[in-house]
Amino acid sequence: GDQVEQSPSALSLHEGTGSALRCNFTTTMRAVQWFRKNSRGSLINLFYLASGTKENGRLKSAFDSKERYSTLHIRDAQLEDSGTYFCAAYNYAQGLTFGLGTRVSVFP
Amino acid sequence: EAAVTQSPRNKVAVTGGKVTLSCNQTNNHNNMYWYRQDTGHGLRLIHYSYGAGSTEKGDIPDGYKASRPSQENFSLILELATPSQTSVYFCASGDARNSDYTFGSGTRLLVI
Repeated sequence: GDQVEQSPSALSLHEGTGSALRCNFTTTMRAVQWFRKNSRGSLINLFYLASGTKENGRLKSAFDSKERYSTLHIRDAQLEDSGTYFCAAYNYAQGLTFGLGTRVSVFP
Repeated sequence: EAAVTQSPRNKVAVTGGKVTLSCNQTNNHNNMYWYRQDTGHGLRLIHYSYGAGSTEKGDIPDGYKASRPSQENFSLILELATPSQTSVYFCASGDARNSDYTFGSGTRLLVI
């Protein structure tokens, strides 16, 4: 959606390398979620943040409500990290708004 | 502009009543999906469809039916609504070839 600008739209990574996905918000958001879509279409919840940073394995996410952005870092990328990643941000007025997604491809 | 439109935006229903949530997409995508969003659960897949006439059960299909009468339209039906179905529901369309997804803006359902 217009309120959530997700970049890049596509990302190619060599195994073992890392990179970051980013979502910029045009308005103040209260919380952000990051998802990865599996092959069936289910959205796997990766992180929910109301502030600060969270880390889980090789993934790390940060959310800065004041600066209006969130990031998802992938380090030591593995083949199974390939997929489409979405951020979604929440505020009281608009509810949950999704970014358009980032297609991540990890290759040997 | 290609889009996914959900209606209604907000709905209050009584327990035991029938609720139909509608979704229309202009992306010409084959696949369509219904999710519900609850605090602490993220998004969970209820039903999905590969095309007109197709409906498939997702991860949490109990208490829900789906209908895909055309490429553009995908409905979620609660025959006997219960308070546990109070949630925010999202529809999405997707192109099976390249995994692009477009989400609707959500339907807030309150079952009292």
